Amino acid sequence: GQQVQQSPASLVLQEGENAELQCNFSTSLNSMQWFYQRPGGSLVSLFYNPSGTKHSGRLTSTTVIKERRSSLHISSSQTTDSGTYLCALANNYAQGLTFGLGTRVSVFP
Amino acid sequence: EAAVTQSPRNKVTVTGGNVTLSCRQTNSHNYMYWYRQDTGHGLRLIHYSYGAGNLQIGDVPDGYKATRTTQEDFFLLLELASPSQTSLYFCASSDRQSGNTLYFGEGSRLIVV
Repeated sequence: GQQVQQSPASLVLQEGENAELQCNFSTSLNSMQWFYQRPGGSLVSLFYNPSGTKHSGRLTSTTVIKERRSSLHISSSQTTDSGTYLCALANNYAQGLTFGLGTRVSVFP
Repeated sequence: EAAVTQSPRNKVTVTGGNVTLSCRQTNSHNYMYWYRQDTGHGLRLIHYSYGAGNLQIGDVPDGYKATRTTQEDFFLLLELASPSQTSLYFCASSDRQSGNTLYFGEGSRLIVV
């Protein structure tokens, strides 16, 4: 089965609202990353966060290894946050990452 | 800032055609990867490499060959393209010194008709 499950599959926000994206994984963890995929397709790394909490601007990532979950919090959403957010994990980083299907976020003014 | 460049960015070919996707990274990373992205499947690993001359099989290797000619260059070859290989292809690189972060290229959109 799917090793990395993301929820929700899609999310519609009004500008200014907060959002919480979830990532649950079924295998052991060596690294956890969050990516943002622009509507045009290109991928941007947001966080490398195998454990604990990290902040970057309006984004916060929290990974709890023993609960096999990671979350991405978006505060005060903006229309430019629209796109797809992907989480990915590796138990052996040299063998690449296993990706979830993503959460598609749409932010309207 | 890490730099991974893919070419071509867009390609249309016929069934049975021969396609080569190119990837160059200028980060001195040891590891390079080829992924494909399809609706309902997400990103899936095709092939990866630890360094020049090395090739490892990923999760969906059937119908693909790859070659790592130098530390910088990683190629994905489709020798008999099929419509099922219509996809968005991404190349990525990483290294322990980069904090295990994957740096992706802009993607190559391939359509096989």
